[in-house]
Amino acid sequence: ELKVEQNPLFLSMQEGKNYTIYCNYSTTSDRLYWYRQDPGKSLESLFVLLSNGAVKQEGRLMASLDTKARLSTLHITAAVHDLSATYFCAVGYYNTDKLIFGTGTRLQVFP
Amino acid sequence: SAVISQKPSRDICQRGTSLTIQCQVDSQVTMMFWYRQQPGQSLTLIATANQGSEATYESGFVIDKFPISRPNLTFSTLTVSNMSPEDSSIYLCSVDNTGTGTSEQYFGPGTRLTVT
Repeated sequence: ELKVEQNPLFLSMQEGKNYTIYCNYSTTSDRLYWYRQDPGKSLESLFVLLSNGAVKQEGRLMASLDTKARLSTLHITAAVHDLSATYFCAVGYYNTDKLIFGTGTRLQVFP
Repeated sequence: SAVISQKPSRDICQRGTSLTIQCQVDSQVTMMFWYRQQPGQSLTLIATANQGSEATYESGFVIDKFPISRPNLTFSTLTVSNMSPEDSSIYLCSVDNTGTGTSEQYFGPGTRLTVT
């Protein structure tokens, strides 16, 4: 059974600081997703990572995937208040279309 | 990217009643998925809906409680039957764009259900 662990669950960080969110999964997968969710809103797709060593960047967010370690990271650079949201990783069940979601990381950026 | 709409956006229902949630996509998709997000929690997959076949349910979810229809390639419904307060959640539909080679999965805006 595929299990996805995300940490930390809650992250309070000061503007301008850097931090990393970790996503570990338990079995082989062929794709990994990062989503953002604002309070009361649906999920916004941030990144899709499809291969070992994949790295994608958008603004202050950078995601990477290490399939051998079954680990993905979401790195935040010089955080700003607008990044405050809940971030989910989701892992694709190998050879299926199903996604298993991590627990989510609630990020709060303060001045 | 796929544009997904859901109806209703929110509802307050009495226990013992049923609610049908609609999901409409602006393009034809093979796979549609229904998720539940309980308050303050992550998303849990309820079932996968393919056009022309029975939905495939995940462990802990049964057809009698969550019947699903998928009459065509752009539409699906999820019914939450005989509701109890524990069914209060956000229900989201999702579609898979693997047919385009992007492997994206897009989510609808969600239906916020409160059961009293």
